[in-house]
Amino acid sequence: DTGVSQNPRHKITKRGQNVTFRCDPISEHNRLYWYRQTLGQGPEFLTYFQNEAQLEKSRLLSDRFSAERPKGSFSTLEIQRTEQGDSAMYLCASSRAGGNQPQHFGDGTRLSIL
Amino acid sequence: AQRVTQPEKLLSVFKGAPVELKCNYSYSGSPELFWYVQYSRQRLQLLLRHISRESIKGFTADLNKGETSFHLKKPFAQEEDSAMYYCALSGRGAQKLVFGQGTRLTINP
Repeated sequence: DTGVSQNPRHKITKRGQNVTFRCDPISEHNRLYWYRQTLGQGPEFLTYFQNEAQLEKSRLLSDRFSAERPKGSFSTLEIQRTEQGDSAMYLCASSRAGGNQPQHFGDGTRLSIL
Repeated sequence: AQRVTQPEKLLSVFKGAPVELKCNYSYSGSPELFWYVQYSRQRLQLLLRHISRESIKGFTADLNKGETSFHLKKPFAQEEDSAMYYCALSGRGAQKLVFGQGTRLTINP
């Protein structure tokens, strides 16, 4: 098992474009989380899935952001009409269900908005 | 409101010296506390959690509910401990982690 996998590792795009990131969790983990990390800050929670159900969304997740996990396996995070402020590292994590299981993080996708 | 504060952005100590990375939290209830570590060019990984009460790589952390603190300690620092350290909390039964800003620890030879 290679752990949580995220693609792409780096995305550069122009302001106003749409971008989509993918996360493949550890195979036996049914919980999946998205976080965002800006320079000099710790990761901030965006949203979380248990299987295919999106159970919690942060107020940070504006209408331009949408996350899906259609079959309860991989997840995608889409940002529409990107803005300069969206530049950040987007981290995905997964965990087993039940209590506060440790979250395992991927390497992240670094988004740069030109 | 849930908040984690790591007052030191940078901490530098000499090899063999004791290390203490400070973490204070605010949470109305009984949180679970974690320390995550990110070594150079590696992904964020769990170092330890308070409910485990274990020592990992010589590090320990004790939850002090009176002072709402969860400081990370190691009696004798090693060069390989140089990394970014994040304190985080989660509410019991809640899933999301709330992270502090992180402390960059540098161990000088």
